[in-house]
Amino acid sequence: KAGVTQTPRYLIKTRGQQVTLSCSPISGHRSVSWYQQTPGQGLQFLFEYFSETQRNKGNFPGRFSGRQFSNSRSEMNVSTLELGDSALYLCASSLGSLSNYGYTFGSGTRLTVV
Amino acid sequence: SQELEQSPQSLIVQEGKNLTINCTSSKTLYGLYWYKQKYGEGLIFLMMLQKGGEEKSHEKITAKLDEKKQQSSLHITASQPSHAGIYLCGADIGNNDMRFGAGTRLTVKP
Repeated sequence: KAGVTQTPRYLIKTRGQQVTLSCSPISGHRSVSWYQQTPGQGLQFLFEYFSETQRNKGNFPGRFSGRQFSNSRSEMNVSTLELGDSALYLCASSLGSLSNYGYTFGSGTRLTVV
Repeated sequence: SQELEQSPQSLIVQEGKNLTINCTSSKTLYGLYWYKQKYGEGLIFLMMLQKGGEEKSHEKITAKLDEKKQQSSLHITASQPSHAGIYLCGADIGNNDMRFGAGTRLTVKP
């Protein structure tokens, strides 16, 4: 059974550009969540999608957006990149509610903004 | 503000020694999760605790949940270099929202 797959693994972008990250959840998992991890702030919740609907959103500016497709695959987009957006972006999937199933994480996409 | 406090922030132990990592929540816990992370990699699920007083073990790692204290501990017995990494506790604070502690960096000296 394949795990959570995130692509690409590494990405270098220039300030002002935009970027799209992809996450394929475990087969059958309908919930996908995104997290940003930095040395200073640790793991911070971005948003969660379930059946193509955003159910929950963290405290990030509108430059961060996401979507989920009918096959549960999810994409995260960051527009007008800033140096502070450099981070490891982690995606996690779950069968349903967090309290019943917990999360399985992908290996992450390391984004560097120069 | 940080809703999950982990202690210690870092830990260096000699191989073979036991160690304990603590995680305290400022909010009611609906579930407590322990993950391990190698630098720059994803999180590896270790254990999930849902009931007060629950205790789970896997190989040499034991985790307990004290619901009344809103606290969990992770204990490693006879540590090995393979145990090295960053240990993170995550709490389900409701509404499918998981928050994480800052992590505890464990180094095991051979």
